[in-house]
Amino acid sequence: DIVMTQTPRSSLVTLGQPASISCRSSQSLVHSNGNTFLSWVHQRPGQPPRLLIYRISNRFSGVPDRFSGSGAGTDFTLEISRVEAEDVGVYYCMQATQFPWTFGQGTKVEI
Amino acid sequence: DVQLVESGGGLVQPGRSLRLSCTTSGFSFGDYAMSWFRQAPGKGPEWVSFIRSKYYGETTEYAASVKGRFTISRDDSKSIAYLQMNSLKTEDTAVYYCTYYFGSGVRWGGQGTLVTVSS
Repeated sequence: DIVMTQTPRSSLVTLGQPASISCRSSQSLVHSNGNTFLSWVHQRPGQPPRLLIYRISNRFSGVPDRFSGSGAGTDFTLEISRVEAEDVGVYYCMQATQFPWTFGQGTKVEI
Repeated sequence: DVQLVESGGGLVQPGRSLRLSCTTSGFSFGDYAMSWFRQAPGKGPEWVSFIRSKYYGETTEYAASVKGRFTISRDDSKSIAYLQMNSLKTEDTAVYYCTYYFGSGVRWGGQGTLVTVSS
C-alpha cells in the first residue's frame, strides 16, 4: 500500500496569513496513464469531507482561489494564500493512483 | 445540484449484516464509478470500496479489511449504489460516506450514515 505522510500534523495560523501543508507518498503517484491522482480534502468540525484540489493542482468547483496545490512524483503541497476563519478543520491528502486508495494522517488547522 | 444521500446505518450486533444505500441525483449516475469511504470516531477517512461503471464492466475493488465481507453494487436504473456489509465487526463502526469518482478525483456530498457495531 502507498503510505501518505503529512506535515505538520497541526498548524496554528493567523487570519490573513499564508499556510502550507506538505504531503509525501512512499512511492511515485504517477499513474501509467501519465496522470497523478493526488487530491486534497478538507473537513470542518462535524462536517463531511469535501474535495478541494484534484490531480495535484486543480481546484474543485466552488473552491476559492486562495487554495492552491503543487508538486510532482512523491512530494506535494497545499497552500492557502490568506487564511480565513472558515478554513479551520483538518486537511487530508489522498492518493487515487493505486488501490487501495490511501490518506495522509491529516493536518489540523486552527486559528 | 448533485445530491448523494446515504441511508441504512444503525446499531447492529457483531456478526450481523447491514445494507447501506446511496441515493443520488443531479449527475449522470450510470457514467461514473462510485465509491464508499468510512470514518471511525476521531479518525481520518478510510477508503472502503469502489465500483466501476457498466461501461467498464462494473468491476469492483475492496480494502483488505473488508474484502470477502462487504459487497458493493449499483442499480443504474434507480441511480443508487449499495454496500452490503456482512459479518460485521466492532472495528467496522464508523460513519460511511458515498462518493462518485469523476475520473480525476472523488466528489463527496452526503452527510454519511452511522454504523455502530456493538453487542
